[in-house]
Amino acid sequence: RKEVEQDPGPFNVPEGATVAFNCTYSNSASQSFFWYRQDCRKEPKLLMSVYSSGNEDGRFTAQLNRASQYISLLIRDSKLSDSATYLCVVNLKGINAGNMLTFGGGTRLMVKP
Amino acid sequence: DAGITQSPRHKVTETGTPVTLRCHQTENHRYMYWYRQDPGHGLRLIHYSYGVKDTDKGEVSDGYSVSRSKTEDFLLTLESATSSQTSVYFCASSPGQGIGGNTIYFGEGSWLTVV
Repeated sequence: RKEVEQDPGPFNVPEGATVAFNCTYSNSASQSFFWYRQDCRKEPKLLMSVYSSGNEDGRFTAQLNRASQYISLLIRDSKLSDSATYLCVVNLKGINAGNMLTFGGGTRLMVKP
Repeated sequence: DAGITQSPRHKVTETGTPVTLRCHQTENHRYMYWYRQDPGHGLRLIHYSYGVKDTDKGEVSDGYSVSRSKTEDFLLTLESATSSQTSVYFCASSPGQGIGGNTIYFGEGSWLTVV
């Protein structure tokens, strides 16, 4: 089992649709969670951190479910510019182990006109 | 965006030659990292540094070495390049403390082809 797992997709959705991705992680002691966005042939860029209480940034909502060990990303009113690969990132060793972040393989989103 | 630059951005080299990739950051971040990204494997950590002259191995460190002589610079060396090391290499850094201390910022990547 991979330490951080994502459905690779692609998720093909029309403009304006709502789409959600999940990411599961293996270590229940994990403390830090992030969503990164990566465009083709570009570097990953931070989309949002994921907090225990859940958080929202415009059309994007991130949730953490510790009991089931997954995080989710919800995108509302999808735009063509949302087309990218979304990477789930987890600190698997817990907060005292430094910045040892592990990346999921990414979920590819394609938003169509 | 954090100021992280990588050089060279693109390189073609021959099997068996040594190659050094350079990473420079202007954010005074404590941690620096080298990742490689390959289809089907995602981003994998090669080596990381938690301070000047303090480095440790990541998930896929065989065939690579690193050095950090200054806070702002982190070098990755392929001791004897092989075709399996053809990849995109990303340097990254993070503050390591405080709010957002775990957030990683990436350089633009170095495309390496070993022929």
